[in-house]
Amino acid sequence: AQTVTQSQPEMSVQEAETVTLSCTYDTSENNYYLFWYKQPPSRQMILVIRQEAYKQQNATENRFSVNFQKAAKSFSLKISDSQLGDTAMYFCAFKVIQGAQKLVFGQGTRLTINP
Amino acid sequence: DTGVSQNPRHKITKRGQNVTFRCDPISEHNRLYWYRQTLGQGPEFLTYFQNEAQLEKSRLLSDRFSAERPKGSFSTLEIQRTEQGDSAMYLCASRPREGIDYEKLFFGSGTQLSVL
Repeated sequence: AQTVTQSQPEMSVQEAETVTLSCTYDTSENNYYLFWYKQPPSRQMILVIRQEAYKQQNATENRFSVNFQKAAKSFSLKISDSQLGDTAMYFCAFKVIQGAQKLVFGQGTRLTINP
Repeated sequence: DTGVSQNPRHKITKRGQNVTFRCDPISEHNRLYWYRQTLGQGPEFLTYFQNEAQLEKSRLLSDRFSAERPKGSFSTLEIQRTEQGDSAMYLCASRPREGIDYEKLFFGSGTQLSVL
């Protein structure tokens, strides 16, 4: 079974700073996806960024980028030039490419951006 | 398209009562998920539909829980004989059958259940 661990329950940074959220996972699979989802206080969860395990290049989406270390089973999210609107719960998630269709989520990191 | 719609937004019930939640996915999304989320925790997988077929079901789902997706459109999640431990946010998500968003889940706002 796959597990996803986020070891930082809460983080807080000042606006415009850079912050990195950590995620580790455990799997015996070789082909899978990793995701970061954001859940703002309004509670509707949205996808931030996605990484395919077979791609060596780290995914980027504007101010959001990941550091994917497959051998270490690590998948961290970096938010550059943080904004007040980045305040949210952030969840790391895992899904195999073939087989089970469920996403397995971590426990989440509550990120607060302070003005 | 207005996104994934869930009703009701809030439900308060007494222990032992049955409750039913509804999810309307984005039209033409053939894949539908139900998750449960307790305060401060990540979403916990409950079940997955592809069209009308329920293809995956969590072992955590007791016999009191049942989900349906007749005709492959909207879905319902029923909890029978509710217990206080069922209090949680129930999230629905849908996924398209193809395209650049194929692996992206689109979530609804959830139904918050409180069992007294």
